[in-house]
Amino acid sequence: GQQLNQSPQSMFIQEGEDVSMNCTSSSIFNTWLWYKQDPGEGPVLLIALYKAGELTSNGRLTAQFGITRKDSFLNISASIPSDVGIYFCAGLNYGGSQGNLIFGKGTKLSVKP
Amino acid sequence: DSGVTQTPKHLITATGQRVTLRCSPRSGDLSVYWYQQSLDQGLQFLIQYYNGEERAKGNILERFSAQQFPDLHSELNLSSLELGDSALYFCASSVTGASGYTFGSGTRLTVV
Repeated sequence: GQQLNQSPQSMFIQEGEDVSMNCTSSSIFNTWLWYKQDPGEGPVLLIALYKAGELTSNGRLTAQFGITRKDSFLNISASIPSDVGIYFCAGLNYGGSQGNLIFGKGTKLSVKP
Repeated sequence: DSGVTQTPKHLITATGQRVTLRCSPRSGDLSVYWYQQSLDQGLQFLIQYYNGEERAKGNILERFSAQQFPDLHSELNLSSLELGDSALYFCASSVTGASGYTFGSGTRLTVV
């Protein structure tokens, strides 16, 4: 089946630093999504990307849909303590009311104040 | 509050038992998705329903089944439970699915 390789698995950074994580796939997706999960909660959608090459920002977060449609990255600028959590990339091929998100295994982010 | 409601939040049961997890989607969302999250496997897609009909199936075991009712709420039934079924089970919903899903806060199932 389809698999997403997400890296790094974990990151320990100092508050104020920038963060970069990425996701690659062996197959093409029509949509790339980035989610964040806090402990004990469900994943929350951060950014959705719909077109190859698309670059989208949401506050301090910026994500890009790779031109090959097989990869995506997420950058977080000037990290703060509340950025702590697990970040998941997800790929989606959707059509005719059918589809399912394929998730990467997550990047666990820890921020030292 | 995401608008997707899952009950119960926690469930502890014995091996061999059967449990039912319930999900109410966001108002207006026709699709419901079930995911299993365990420590070593990440988020695994189980099954999708759209307006009462099964639309996509993932790595769902034969011991597991789901349905979506006319009021669009969904139930995931897990039977003959094994220790390895202990996990977080998430429900998500969407209008079309193309713009991403909204997740509930999950049901933590512990099989002892």
